[in-house]
Amino acid sequence: NAGVMQNPRHLVRRRGQEARLRCSPMKGHSHVYWYRQLPEEGLKFMVYLQKENIIDESGMPKERFSAEFPKEGPSILRIQQVVRGDSAAYFCASSPTVADTQYFGPGTRLLVL
Amino acid sequence: QQPVQSPQAVILREGEDAVINCSSSKALYSVHWYRQKHGEAPVFLMILLKGGEQKGHDKISASFNEKKQQSSLYLTASQLSYSGTYFCGTEIAGTGKLIFGQGTTLQVKP
Repeated sequence: NAGVMQNPRHLVRRRGQEARLRCSPMKGHSHVYWYRQLPEEGLKFMVYLQKENIIDESGMPKERFSAEFPKEGPSILRIQQVVRGDSAAYFCASSPTVADTQYFGPGTRLLVL
Repeated sequence: QQPVQSPQAVILREGEDAVINCSSSKALYSVHWYRQKHGEAPVFLMILLKGGEQKGHDKISASFNEKKQQSSLYLTASQLSYSGTYFCGTEIAGTGKLIFGQGTTLQVKP
């Protein structure tokens, strides 16, 4: 049973470009969560999605960030017009039901030059 | 809203014990504990639900005092592999959203 998969593992972008981060949850998990971790800091909640629905996006910056979890395929976190401050590790977690154990993927480390 | 963890950092010798605390100002539905090694993903340790649970496996256990809105992680007879940063994640009922503490860095020396 494969764990949570994320790709790419490392992503380098120049200021102004777009970043697309993908997350495939564990088999049987329909709840996906995205967290951001700045260097030497803790994990900050960004968004919680269930298939085709955004349940809670209270941690998402109002501009440039969007997330989706389509009926088919992985969840995507999209960052438009990246800035240096977006450089961070972005982790995805999944759970089988709400309020259940969340299992984390390996993360995508985004570096904005 | 972010839970407060204490201490911020601990240095131990192999075989010593440690306690990490997590306190919240809000009523909690559950507390989740994770360990993260540098450059890696957080690894799930255990989840405690409201009701004053206490759980454990191997030499790691935890308690959750719902009334005090606190949880504690107990590491017994620490091993080198226990080194890392420990995070508590707190959840308010039904939201699914975890709010993490700032982390406690544990270093176990031979």
